[in-house]
Amino acid sequence: EIVVTQSPATVSVSPGKTATLSCRASQSVNNFLAWYQQKPGQAPRLLIYGASTRATGIPARFSGSGSGTEFTLTISSLQSEDFAIYYCQEYKNWPLFTFGGGTKVEIK
Amino acid sequence: EVQLVQSGPEVRKPGESLKISCRTSGYRFGSYWLAWLRQVPGKGLEWMGSIFPGDSDAQYNPSFEGQVTISADESTATAYLQWSSLRASDSGLYFCARLGQLALDFWGQGALVTVSS
Repeated sequence: EIVVTQSPATVSVSPGKTATLSCRASQSVNNFLAWYQQKPGQAPRLLIYGASTRATGIPARFSGSGSGTEFTLTISSLQSEDFAIYYCQEYKNWPLFTFGGGTKVEIK
Repeated sequence: EVQLVQSGPEVRKPGESLKISCRTSGYRFGSYWLAWLRQVPGKGLEWMGSIFPGDSDAQYNPSFEGQVTISADESTATAYLQWSSLRASDSGLYFCARLGQLALDFWGQGALVTVSS
């Protein structure tokens, strides 16, 4: 079973600054890693798949990197609408997958 | 336009059965895996299982296998998640989502299930 760990649990960032979120898998998932954004009362939204490919309509300020076991989501020039919870998800053995516990990006 | 529309909130007593639905449109239903996920309020996302409607092949998270049944009806482009005997611990928000581009690219709006005596 692949375990996915996200850190930190919460990050406080000022608008206009950069947030860096980490995701670690307990074994290599190659680049089978996705990132999602979830706002209160809403379903998650796909941001990044294949570790670094932005989904349709996702702004360029969202970027993903990494491979193997270590991954990063970087959000540049944080906008008010970016304050939310972010989840990473591995899908090496799709259609089976595992989510990380999430990182909350809050306003500093 | 791809859309996944889930059935409404449900309240049941422990031991009762329940079947919730996810009606899809805008794409070929039988050609994409569809997943069910649970979110307990204030907690993260748990993958429960996935189904390929084209042949009804279903894969389950071991934590949920035997506790729920995932099914699909190609004629109505609808997927289902059902319980035969609910427990209080089944309370939560349930999402369906399409597996496209090898990630979950379209989601339903969620369905709240409350199990309480």
